[in-house]
Amino acid sequence: DGGITQSPKYLFRKEGQNVTLSCEQNLNHDAMYWYRQDPGQGLRLIYYSQIVNDFQKGDIAEGYSVSREKKESFPLTVTSAQKNPTAFYLCASSSDGKTGAFFGQGTRLTVV
Amino acid sequence: QKEVEQNSGPLSVPEGAIASLNCTYSDRGSQSFFWYRQYSGKSPELIMFIYSNGDKEDGRFTAQLNKASQYVSLLIRDSQPSDSATYLCAVLEGGSYIPTFGRGTSLIVHP
Repeated sequence: DGGITQSPKYLFRKEGQNVTLSCEQNLNHDAMYWYRQDPGQGLRLIYYSQIVNDFQKGDIAEGYSVSREKKESFPLTVTSAQKNPTAFYLCASSSDGKTGAFFGQGTRLTVV
Repeated sequence: QKEVEQNSGPLSVPEGAIASLNCTYSDRGSQSFFWYRQYSGKSPELIMFIYSNGDKEDGRFTAQLNKASQYVSLLIRDSQPSDSATYLCAVLEGGSYIPTFGRGTSLIVHP
């Protein structure tokens, strides 16, 4: 089945730790995105990538890093510099943006 | 700053009624418009997209676009309790890959 897979579904992090969220797609989409969703805040763009080995910062990139070494994969690292990382993280992909972005199931990150 | 505005709701409608969800946007260069449905605790699911002025129908859903007035709406006919969710409007500027999302409208369909 074609789709976007995020893992893990739930993640707990101790303060001061870096964690990496996985996102894999087999839709052959060029564009991939990472969003953060907080209650009442809507979706906020962290990073996006239009092609392999290229990515751009979104509105709230501070404290996050990404890589795009393969077309299928766009992992997100939440670093210790991110002061308020507890949130619902959504990865999405799109062929060209015009027909819409498709989301993975999301990763719920909690700092303990 | 591109803005996409939605009434947060909740919008409450009885089962079988028509639910009307509205969205306005600020960027006149916007070319593509999307509606997503998001159930509580789940990720957004694309319902429809529309490019041209007028109506686009898909089953019980109709998207309406008016570029001159800069609004897009979603009508849900014969609303069912299973339609209860948050509906997100998203707008894409021409030449861009990045949609701008509204904060969503909560819809409650009561039996």
